[in-house]
Amino acid sequence: DAGVTQSPTHLIKTRGQQVTLRCSPKSGHDTVSWYQQALGQGPQFIFQYYEEEERQRGNFPDRFSGHQFPNYSSELNVNALLLGDSALYLCASSLKLTSQETQYFGPGTRLLVL
Amino acid sequence: GESVGLHLPTLSVQEGDNSIINCAYSNSASDYFIWYKQESGKGPQFIIDIRSNMDKRQGQRVTVLLNKTVKHLSLQIAATQPGDSAVYFCAERAGYSTLTFGKGTMLLVSP
Repeated sequence: DAGVTQSPTHLIKTRGQQVTLRCSPKSGHDTVSWYQQALGQGPQFIFQYYEEEERQRGNFPDRFSGHQFPNYSSELNVNALLLGDSALYLCASSLKLTSQETQYFGPGTRLLVL
Repeated sequence: GESVGLHLPTLSVQEGDNSIINCAYSNSASDYFIWYKQESGKGPQFIIDIRSNMDKRQGQRVTVLLNKTVKHLSLQIAATQPGDSAVYFCAERAGYSTLTFGKGTMLLVSP
């Protein structure tokens, strides 16, 4: 039973560039959430996808966008990268958009913006 | 072990001791709580969860206590081992909202 997987593991970009991060949810899960984790901080919610639609969004600018595919995998896109976007980007999956549903995290993609 | 400003609180214990990590949550409407363990360079790993209709739940070597009156959550780790060294996060959720994480507590276990 595969857990949550993310790619790439590490990425280096320069300011102004665009980046796409990928996530495959845990087998049987249909909901994907994305988080940004700055060094020494807890994860901050970016958005959540269910049935290929963005269902909830945190306090992140429109430069952050996403997509969910029919197989439940998801992408996070960030445009016009800023130095402050350097962080660990985490994907978490869960089953159904219900309350009290445990989210399982992937290993993350570490993004460095120079 | 509660979060204070931008500094990550640290709890240092000896191997074999019991550890208690505390968390103060902010939303009185939160009805679901999770503890995660995050090792360096890895994603958060689920440890244990508790629903608001409970005040205690036990797992293998771990116990979570919930005090809704004072909005306090704690994680107790019995017979702490060096492999328990990590950053521990509590997370809360109200209804269909998403998880809100605390700032975390670093647990250092000395052999």
